[in-house]
Amino acid sequence: SQQGEEDPQALSIQEGENATMNCSYKTSINNLQWYRQNSGRGLVHLILIRSNEREKHSGRLRVTLDTSKKSSSLLITASRAADTASYFCANLAKGSNMLTFGGGTRLMVKP
Amino acid sequence: EAQVTQNPRYLITVTGKKLTVTCSQNMNHEYMSWYRQDPGLGLRQIYYSMNVEVTDKGDVPEGYKVSRKEKRNFPLILESPSPNQTSLYFCASSLRGQGEKLFFGSGTQLSVL
Repeated sequence: SQQGEEDPQALSIQEGENATMNCSYKTSINNLQWYRQNSGRGLVHLILIRSNEREKHSGRLRVTLDTSKKSSSLLITASRAADTASYFCANLAKGSNMLTFGGGTRLMVKP
Repeated sequence: EAQVTQNPRYLITVTGKKLTVTCSQNMNHEYMSWYRQDPGLGLRQIYYSMNVEVTDKGDVPEGYKVSRKEKRNFPLILESPSPNQTSLYFCASSLRGQGEKLFFGSGTQLSVL
């Protein structure tokens, strides 16, 4: 079952702008991960944030986690055309062995 | 180079003809998993394996089989493929489990006619 929901489903911005993608989930989690997928290719891991963390950074990426709202966001700052891809969140529910992926946000960055 | 290798990249077959999609990782990972990706449905887990000879069903196991006889290999078997198994398939692995960073293969686009 797909527990995660991502918003927006699609986002189009100009190079240099920031892109924000949101992810919501339904149950308590151990951690949440963000992945990137270039068209039809394998997913690439971006960031993992644990349930006791509120914010994490990696280069131009910033991930926040609000467990009270059961939501996370991924911010890409100063976007580049090469950031064009689909972005997925995936959560590991507490007591579960299964990682559940959201439906993804398709990001297009126009040069 | 650390990687997950899936083969083939593309596969067209006919209903009922048994096929195997291979997956191999060279990172000594304990955990391996298969997903299918369909438009509008995201990634759904088919089967996963926590270690050699240990496999478990995911969300959508019907019509699929797996085996884990060696740590590095985790083949996906469709004994009697049907058109509703037309999909993009991904193998993934991690050091110990789903709570960790997953490494994905490049995908297998399967079409069942």
